[in-house]
Amino acid sequence: AQKVTQAQTEISVVEKEDVTLDCVYETRDTTYYLFWYKQPPSGELVFLIRRNSFDEQNEISGRYSWNFQKSTSSFNFTITASQVVDSAVYFCAFTGTSYDKVIFGPGTSLSVIP
Amino acid sequence: DAGVIQSPRHEVTEMGQEVTLRCKPISGHNSLFWYRQTMMRGLELLIYFNNNVPIDDSGMPEDRFSAKMPNASFSTLKIQPSEPRDSAVYFCASSLGGVRTTQETQYFGPGTRLLVL
Repeated sequence: AQKVTQAQTEISVVEKEDVTLDCVYETRDTTYYLFWYKQPPSGELVFLIRRNSFDEQNEISGRYSWNFQKSTSSFNFTITASQVVDSAVYFCAFTGTSYDKVIFGPGTSLSVIP
Repeated sequence: DAGVIQSPRHEVTEMGQEVTLRCKPISGHNSLFWYRQTMMRGLELLIYFNNNVPIDDSGMPEDRFSAKMPNASFSTLKIQPSEPRDSAVYFCASSLGGVRTTQETQYFGPGTRLLVL
């Protein structure tokens, strides 16, 4: 069965701290895709990144970075020098070739305190 | 591009009334998805279309829900009759689609907040 786990329900950090949001997935597929979305307090869902299972290179985009490790079935997201505007709920999502839907994790609510 | 457009942004209605939610996908995208988000169940896929054809509607809760996509630039999600438990945020998303529709990035609209009294 396909499953996405975000074990951290809520995280609170002080501005400028680094924070890592965990995402663990379960699948028997060899080809699959992983996503991260951000949902700020305003409610919209903002796409952050898409990664396929054959590309294990870590990715960095400004203060955001993603660590994909197939060996541990994890796709963790790190925010460096967090800012108040990073406060949001972050969703990790997964889709595989044997299941034609995107499965969203339960989300991690991040609060960055000034 | 304006992104995915949804209307209305907010809807308050009484139990038993018909509710119609509307979505305009990003131009050129050929897949469209309807999701529902609640605190209890998180994000749930209700139905998705590829090239205007419904592909998977297994997430539609019951016969009170129906969705249509009469053309590539418009879709509706209808609830008739509405019930208080339908209160949620309903998102529409679109993607380029492809061989495996759901492997492409989905871009979400701002959502419709529905409250059924």
